[in-house]
Amino acid sequence: DAKTTQPTSMDCAEGRAANLPCNHSTISGNEYVYWYRQIHSQGPQYIIHGLKNNETNEMASLIITEDRKSSTLILPHTTLRDTAVYYCIVRGIPQTGANNLFFGTGTRLTVIP
Amino acid sequence: GAGVSQTPSNKVTEKGKYVELRCDPISGHTALYWYRQSLGQGPEFLIYFQGTGAADDSGLPNDRFFAVRPEGSVSTLKIQRTERGDSAVYLCASSLTGLAGAGTGELFFGEGSRLTVL
Repeated sequence: DAKTTQPTSMDCAEGRAANLPCNHSTISGNEYVYWYRQIHSQGPQYIIHGLKNNETNEMASLIITEDRKSSTLILPHTTLRDTAVYYCIVRGIPQTGANNLFFGTGTRLTVIP
Repeated sequence: GAGVSQTPSNKVTEKGKYVELRCDPISGHTALYWYRQSLGQGPEFLIYFQGTGAADDSGLPNDRFFAVRPEGSVSTLKIQRTERGDSAVYLCASSLTGLAGAGTGELFFGEGSRLTVL
């Protein structure tokens, strides 16, 4: 699995959008970008994933650059409950047997009242 | 239950003792994973089961660690002769089969078992 680079920490004012960057310059053509988050004392929670098109769901949006070497997770209207560690992971598609997620140290997002 | 269940939630043991940690995955999920998370670090992969068999055990740190999933559902992580460095949160996750055409590959995690070795 390709490595990812994320800032160690970020702050965001409550109600504002949070933009969390991730670099994955060694990503290969069949690897997806996954985002998970981990709230204190809980297991990681899936947020969103994508291959090359931008994706949106009820939690977030994922913007992937055209060359796929970086991406940004956007939380549109943050609340205090969004305070967590956010992990960006690149992973081969399940069909190829690449079933594991390799976590880095993630970005600790703190939403400030 | 609806989610992944792990027991015990907390386990304190003495150095050298044997420990078992249990994971009950989401019903119907054929893939099951064990991860270990030390303080301030991201989860570290240990082992992955597809059905009853360990498809990838490359993350197990040494032969003191072993995991089983005899009926393709509940899994037990077993740690022999525990050491203080084994202290961590042990996370279990499950997902729909990773085989072709199934699911998004999303992993559903339990809340973990916190192991403390004194």
